[in-house]
Amino acid sequence: QKEVEQDPGPLSVPEGAIVSLNCTYSNSAFQYFMWYRQYSRKGPELLMYTYSSGNKEDGRFTAQVDKSSKYISLFIRDSQPSDSATYLCAVKAAGNKLTFGGGTRVLVKP
Amino acid sequence: EADIYQTPRYLVIGTGKKITLECSQTMGHDKMYWYQQDPGMELHLIHYSYGVNSTEKGDLSSESTVSRIRTEHFPLTLESARPSHTSQYLCASSVGGESEQYFGPGTRLTVT
Repeated sequence: QKEVEQDPGPLSVPEGAIVSLNCTYSNSAFQYFMWYRQYSRKGPELLMYTYSSGNKEDGRFTAQVDKSSKYISLFIRDSQPSDSATYLCAVKAAGNKLTFGGGTRVLVKP
Repeated sequence: EADIYQTPRYLVIGTGKKITLECSQTMGHDKMYWYQQDPGMELHLIHYSYGVNSTEKGDLSSESTVSRIRTEHFPLTLESARPSHTSQYLCASSVGGESEQYFGPGTRLTVT
């Protein structure tokens, strides 16, 4: 079983819709939770970083962590065609390396 | 935008050739990483370095080797390329904690 599970998509939404992405993980030792965005033929870039449980908001992006359910989410409000990319969740335990999900491809149609 | 560079961006090479993938960063980051990513799949850590003259193997077994003679430079070498090495190779760096990593654009390697 993979340590981090993520639906590969693609997830297709109309412009302006809310994009909802999620990952599940298996190791309760994970304390750091990240979302990276990767455009085609580019390297990933960090979008959101959360430590432990709770919500974090940054502009149109909201990250949620539910450690009791081992479930992390990313919401994108008022989605734009420029949000079309692959979104990778990543988790980390203290002192350990990042573990990435396989990514969800998102298509925002004008 | 992160100042981390990878060359070449694309490489097609025959089996048995020796290749070196270059990675440089101008941010002065102490930690650097190499990941392998197949289409639609997770990033797998193959090598990392916490500083000059420090290199470690990652979670994914790899036949490649790395060196860290200068802080800004972290090249990856394949002594004898095989078709199974066909993949995208991503270099990253970080400072302090490892959660925020800055990635280069990647090298897409095809071994024929």
